[in-house]
Amino acid sequence: EPEVTQTPSHQVTQMGQEVILRCVPISNHLYFYWYRQILGQKVEFLVSFYNNEISEKSEIFDDQFSVERPDGSNFTLKIRSTKLEDSAMYFCASSRSKPYEQYFGPGTRLTVT
Amino acid sequence: GESVGLHLPTLSVQEGDNSIINCAYSNSASDYFIWYKQESGKGPQFIIDIRSNMDKRQGQRVTVLLNKTVKHLSLQIAATQPGDSAVYFCAEFVSGNTGKLIFGQGTTLQVKP
Repeated sequence: EPEVTQTPSHQVTQMGQEVILRCVPISNHLYFYWYRQILGQKVEFLVSFYNNEISEKSEIFDDQFSVERPDGSNFTLKIRSTKLEDSAMYFCASSRSKPYEQYFGPGTRLTVT
Repeated sequence: GESVGLHLPTLSVQEGDNSIINCAYSNSASDYFIWYKQESGKGPQFIIDIRSNMDKRQGQRVTVLLNKTVKHLSLQIAATQPGDSAVYFCAEFVSGNTGKLIFGQGTTLQVKP
């Protein structure tokens, strides 16, 4: 069964550094999302992407964040200058024709020190 | 405002019993409500969804009930198994260009052998 994959599984970075989190959505999916989950808290929406552009974003998704779909398979989340409070699990999700039926990857644990 | 929540943080059941996990929501405009299961170290896994114009939907061993009058959603798991042990999140789908999921806090289901 096709799955969303994410790399790396764990990323440790120093405050102020740039990080790129990578995702490979399910191949025939059209809608792409990033969510994050701070330890012990609920999953929060960050951004959605469709037709090669950002569709919606939350107030968390400020100018430090950006997303790209550089080719037909990868979907990346970049944080330009990481802060301690960016430490969280970051989940990529995708959906095909039903945006409410989203399939999540295993996540990347980002630790900012 | 947007808010989805769960009544109980932890539910402990005996293997073979039925489980009922509850959720309250506040946004009456949501088109879909979805249940996700999250096992330790993994991303949320889609279980079942229900459209806002329905009261009940059944899947394999799971049933979701929607009571729009009191803005209440529940997930019933029949014959609970040890593999059902996980955190369960309800989420509401907020429509938009791509839409987004608004997650609740999560209920931990512990299945005792």
